[in-house]
Amino acid sequence: DTEVTQTPKHLVMGMTNKKSLKCEQHMGHRAMYWYKQKAKKPPELMFVYSYEKLSINESVPSRFSPECPNSSLLNLHLHALQPEDSALYLCASSQEGRANYGYTFGSGTRLTVV
Amino acid sequence: RKEVEQDPGPFNVPEGATVAFNCTYSNSASQSFFWYRQDCRKEPKLLMSVYSSGNEDGRFTAQLNRASQYISLLIRDSKLSDSATYLCVMGGSQGNLIFGKGTKLSVKP
Repeated sequence: DTEVTQTPKHLVMGMTNKKSLKCEQHMGHRAMYWYKQKAKKPPELMFVYSYEKLSINESVPSRFSPECPNSSLLNLHLHALQPEDSALYLCASSQEGRANYGYTFGSGTRLTVV
Repeated sequence: RKEVEQDPGPFNVPEGATVAFNCTYSNSASQSFFWYRQDCRKEPKLLMSVYSSGNEDGRFTAQLNRASQYISLLIRDSKLSDSATYLCVMGGSQGNLIFGKGTKLSVKP
């Protein structure tokens, strides 16, 4: 299994909703990442988990809350989002937290906040 | 100064053309560099890693010049299927990837 699986693929939510994005990998990778990509922009790092511990939070607003229940799963909990949070949310994983070591992206969740 | 800078294009070229993309980076301590390809509404996918010695994969050649902090990608005999956005990427210290803004390539018949 060489994939990173993200669910759901599409999500529309209201500004008062609470939802969660899920990411799963079974490659034994010990680092997992959340990136946000707005239209016509490159991906921007949000969070890094290394060995199930949060190692980087790129000053992300608290309405985004990451969670790493185990080494294969990464969640992103969403609450009280704004329309400007609409974007493609990409999960990735890598071996040992190395950029040049098996970096794999999921196909993303396309989020629309209404 | 942005960490990774590249010309956003677009580059519009005919099939069969040779096209070159360039990119500069600001962190001289960075150890790893990549070119990623991203199709419309899809995730980025690794095209190739970039080494100082240069590396080639079929029609694609990548080169890293550490002295000038400059990375290049050459595509020979371009195909319609090469149309995509090409992202110059630098590896960060925490295993994260730092992306340039991307260069959009359109190959026309």
